[in-house]
Amino acid sequence: QSVLTQPPSASGTPGQRVTLSCSGGTSNIGRSFVYWYQQLPGTAPKLLIYRSNQRPSGVPDRFSASKSATSASLAISGLRSEDEADYYCAAWDDSLNNWVFGGGTKVTVL
Amino acid sequence: QVQLVQSGAEVKKPGASVKVSCKASRDTFNDFYIHWVRQAPGQGLEWMGWINPKRGGSNSAQKFQGRVTMTSDTSISTAYMELTNLRSDDTAVYYCARVFGVVGEFDYWGQGTLVTVFS
Repeated sequence: QSVLTQPPSASGTPGQRVTLSCSGGTSNIGRSFVYWYQQLPGTAPKLLIYRSNQRPSGVPDRFSASKSATSASLAISGLRSEDEADYYCAAWDDSLNNWVFGGGTKVTVL
Repeated sequence: QVQLVQSGAEVKKPGASVKVSCKASRDTFNDFYIHWVRQAPGQGLEWMGWINPKRGGSNSAQKFQGRVTMTSDTSISTAYMELTNLRSDDTAVYYCARVFGVVGEFDYWGQGTLVTVFS
């Protein structure tokens, strides 16, 4: 059971916009930045979003994210086949003194 | 180019120990913390702990305390994660990742090391 809650799956057709959610609590998302990682099949996770809404260089601006209170979301616009991957949210938890991750959302491009 | 290169796959029996290495560039070793994250087959990511390679301080998730030891060898810019008393549910891919401190983005990851615990 993950501390952060993500829907297990999401899907869309090429070109569509897909939004992924991540729900936490006051000890993690409520007082910490949220980070998003993309994991392509058989590879290590890759940083997608840092400090809740910042994109590292090289990440397309089709990816955007936001945070509000104890929830966060990641939006993928102009969905492409190469976006098929697992997406994980993460935050530091002040009560656990731990990093916590969501269970991941598998995005399928139909 | 930032690289974290991990040691190869391991097969261990229950009760044994495993030590996974993570070799980084010198500037990564001097300026960043190394965190360890694992992923059981078909499951999500689970944070294990961190080490400050230059100063040697470390901390681990409560779940692993008493079973995990994180060390570093500055002479070869390599961090290690040793997990003892292995059980079948420790079967996972173990990743190292660098973070500028305890809290921050995991901006570069190692390629992962599969540890299989099998009797």
